[in-house]
Order: sequence, then structure tokens, then C-alpha cells
Amino acid sequence: DAGVTQSPTHLIKTRGQQVTLRCSPKSGHDTVSWYQQALGQGPQFIFQYYEEEERQRGNFPDRFSGHQFPNYSSELNVNALLLGDSALYLCASSLLGSNQPQHFGDGTRLSIL
Amino acid sequence: SQQGEEDPQALSIQEGENATMNCSYKTSINNLQWYRQNSGRGLVHLILIRSNEREKHSGRLRVTLDTSKKSSSLLITASRAADTASYFCATDRTYNQGGKLIFGQGTELSVKP
Repeated sequence: DAGVTQSPTHLIKTRGQQVTLRCSPKSGHDTVSWYQQALGQGPQFIFQYYEEEERQRGNFPDRFSGHQFPNYSSELNVNALLLGDSALYLCASSLLGSNQPQHFGDGTRLSIL
Repeated sequence: SQQGEEDPQALSIQEGENATMNCSYKTSINNLQWYRQNSGRGLVHLILIRSNEREKHSGRLRVTLDTSKKSSSLLITASRAADTASYFCATDRTYNQGGKLIFGQGTELSVKP
């Protein structure tokens, strides 16, 4: 039973560029959440997708956008990259509903030069 | 913004000893969850405790929740070198759909053989 998979594992971009990160949820899960984790910090919630719609959003600018596909996989897009966007981006999947644990992928390490 | 704050920030113990980590949060919650993160990897869900529960066990893990003090603790008994990791508490304030986890900054646990 495959868990949450993310691609790519590592990515290097320069300021001003755009990036797309991908996530396949755990089999049977219908909800995908994205988090940003800066070095030495806890993850910060970016947004959550269910039924191809953004259901909840954290305190991130509009440069961060996403998409969920009919097969429940998801993409995170970041435009106009800033040095401060360098972080580990984590995808988590779950079943929609209260009191459901989240299953995380190993993340994409994004470095901005 | 971070909802939870873990204490201590770092903890170093010998194999076989018990490790206790504490978490405080600021607002009412639906549930509180503990996650483990090995260096450079994704988060692994350990335990979810609901707001109407006071204590929960899973193997060598024991979690308590005191909603009147807005605090939780994670106890790892008979620790092993493999328990070396960062531990995060995360609160979920959404009662209907779940998923927007607010993480603390974590406790870095080192278990020496």
C-alpha cells in the first residue's frame, strides 16, 4: 500500500522563477494538505484541497496556489519565488472529517538562489 | 503563526530512560496530535487525542491532555536510539472537516546508546 509520494525530492530555482510541486495521496484518501517547513521550525499550513476545491487556507500570499485532480493528486505552485521561499514543502493526505490523522510524504526540498 | 509551543526545545537522554515532552497551546481545540520527524524526512503520525479525552496510550507512548491548562504531554518509556528524532505537537481547531493543523516548533530528542 503506497503512502504519500512527492516529486521532485529536491529542486533548485532562482529568484523570480515559478515552481510546481506534485503529490500523490495515500490510497483511499480524498483530502490533500500542503505545509511549508523552514529549517528548524515546525510545519506551517498553506492550504487544503478536497473535491478539487481549496477548502481552507493558511496565511500565505496569492503567489502560492494549488490544484487537485479527479484522482485526488495535487500540485502546489509558487510564483515569483523569493529567497524566503526556501524550505521543505510537505504534502499530507487524509480522509475528510474530524479527528482524522494526516499521512505525510517525505517532502520536496526547495532551494532558492 | 504557531499555536503550540513544545518544551523543552532539546532533550538528551540515555537509552532505557523515559522522555517527557510538553506542549502548550492558546485556543480551544478539537483534537491534538503528536508527530515524529526523522532528519530530512516527512512527519509520522503517533497519536491523536480528542478534546474530550484525558489520556491515551500506544505501545511505549503515553499522551495526556489537560484542556483547562491548554497543555499536553508525550511520554516515551524505555527509550531507544531509534527514538532519536524531532517531535511536534499539532492542534486541530476545525470541528467539521479537520485538517488545518497548527504545529509547534518541536522538541529535538537525542537518545544515546
